[in-house]
Amino acid sequence: EVQLVESGGGLLQPGKSLRLSCGASGFTFDDYAMHWVRQRPGKGLEWVSGIDWNSYSVGYADSVKGRFTVSRDNAKNSLYLQMNSLRAEDTALYFCAKTIGAYLDNSGTSIDYWGQGTLVTVSS
Amino acid sequence: SYELTQPPSVSVSPGQTAGITCSGNNLGNRYASWYQQKPGQSPVLVIYHDNKRPSGIPERFSGSNSGNTATLTISGTQAIDEADYYCQAWDSGTVVFGGGTKLTVL
Repeated sequence: EVQLVESGGGLLQPGKSLRLSCGASGFTFDDYAMHWVRQRPGKGLEWVSGIDWNSYSVGYADSVKGRFTVSRDNAKNSLYLQMNSLRAEDTALYFCAKTIGAYLDNSGTSIDYWGQGTLVTVSS
Repeated sequence: SYELTQPPSVSVSPGQTAGITCSGNNLGNRYASWYQQKPGQSPVLVIYHDNKRPSGIPERFSGSNSGNTATLTISGTQAIDEADYYCQAWDSGTVVFGGGTKLTVL
C-alpha cells in the first residue's frame, strides 16, 4: 500500500524558515517524480514544486521561486521542501504527492497518490 | 503563465449526467487530469491522460480533451459524487491546476 506521510508543519512568524519532510513507502520511490501541492484554507489546489526521479530536474511555482527548495533522498525514501522567507500567504496545507511517471513532463505529471498534508501557518 | 478555467459550480440531479469543463489555450495538445476532493480529504485522481481511469474509479467517470477544452463527465451521478473537482495540466515546466468546480447533487 502506497503511503505518503508529511511532517514538519507548524506555526511561525513571517520571515522564518521551515523544512517539510515526506516519508514514502509501498512503492519504489526512485522510480517516480514527486511534487508538493498546497491548499490555502477554503481555496483550491496550488502546485508548489516538483522534482524528477534523480533530482536532475526541478520546478517551482512563481510564487515560491527563490524562497523554496525541493530535494529528495532516494536512499531514505524521503522528499523535502525547504521554505525560507515565509509569508502570510504561504499559510496552507502542504501535500506531498507521487506522480505516475519518473520525469517532470507532460506524460508523467498526473498525481496518483497524495499524503494527508501538513499545515503551515505563518502569522505574527 | 498558463491558466486553466473551470466553472465555480455545477449542479446535477441524481441519476443524470454531469459535465465539468476545463478551458485553456491549446489544452488539447497536452494531457489533462482530473481530481475529486471531498471536504477534509486529500484529492483523488479520477482521470489521467485525458480519458484513462485509475484502478478503482467507477466507469461512470469519463474524460475527453480537444481544442481548448477538457471535459469530465459523470454519468448516472450519485450523491457520493458531490465534491470539488480540479483539472490539471503541464505547461512549460510547471504543473497547473484549474480553480476547481463544486459539484452539487440535488
